[in-house]
Amino acid sequence: QVQLVQSGAEVKKPGASVKVSCKASGYTFPNFGISWVRQAPGQGLEWMGWISAYNGNTNYAQKVQGRVTMTTDRSTSTVYMELRSLRSDDTAVYYCARDIRDWGTFDIWGQGTMVTVSS
Amino acid sequence: DIQMTQSPSPLSASVGDRVTITCQASQDISKYINWYQQKPGKAPKLLIYDASNLETGVPSRFSGSGSGTDFTFTISSLQPEDIATYYCQQYDNVITFGQGTRLEIK
Repeated sequence: QVQLVQSGAEVKKPGASVKVSCKASGYTFPNFGISWVRQAPGQGLEWMGWISAYNGNTNYAQKVQGRVTMTTDRSTSTVYMELRSLRSDDTAVYYCARDIRDWGTFDIWGQGTMVTVSS
Repeated sequence: DIQMTQSPSPLSASVGDRVTITCQASQDISKYINWYQQKPGKAPKLLIYDASNLETGVPSRFSGSGSGTDFTFTISSLQPEDIATYYCQQYDNVITFGQGTRLEIK
């Protein structure tokens, strides 16, 4: 079946970096972009950025621009999201989501990865 | 960025009620709006895309309407399994979500 499986929970200190993976299966990987969406505890959803699984083109939200890098590995059908210079307000569940319309419609979501930033 | 203002939140209703959630965009987004359901501890689930199209496999009691800046999401007859938080999301330009509507059983 079509699914996205993310890497496990992370605990990081302020100023560190985290890299979360999202492995796709059950569909033709290059045909759909992937977005990353995060959710701070008890809060709403925040879009972070998008990457083309076809050619690696990216589009990042202004709020994380300069601290985030999204990459793909077509050989393993995996997308990565690296966030640097972590702060306490980066504590959140991070989701990857398949974009079925090439921009902005997310039909399949990963299970989420909890990233905790704490000294 | 386009702001999406959802109301009401929270929303309390009884099983069998007709439930309506509204979402107002800060500028014209045509029909570039989706609606998601999120249950506690779970990832969001796509229910409605392009303002009014029902995602495959989603029960027909869910519907959406609107265009421009004003949009409505409706559950025609609330079921116990519909208890969740609902989000609107626009993709006219930079993607943004509404703040969410927590739906509770009265």
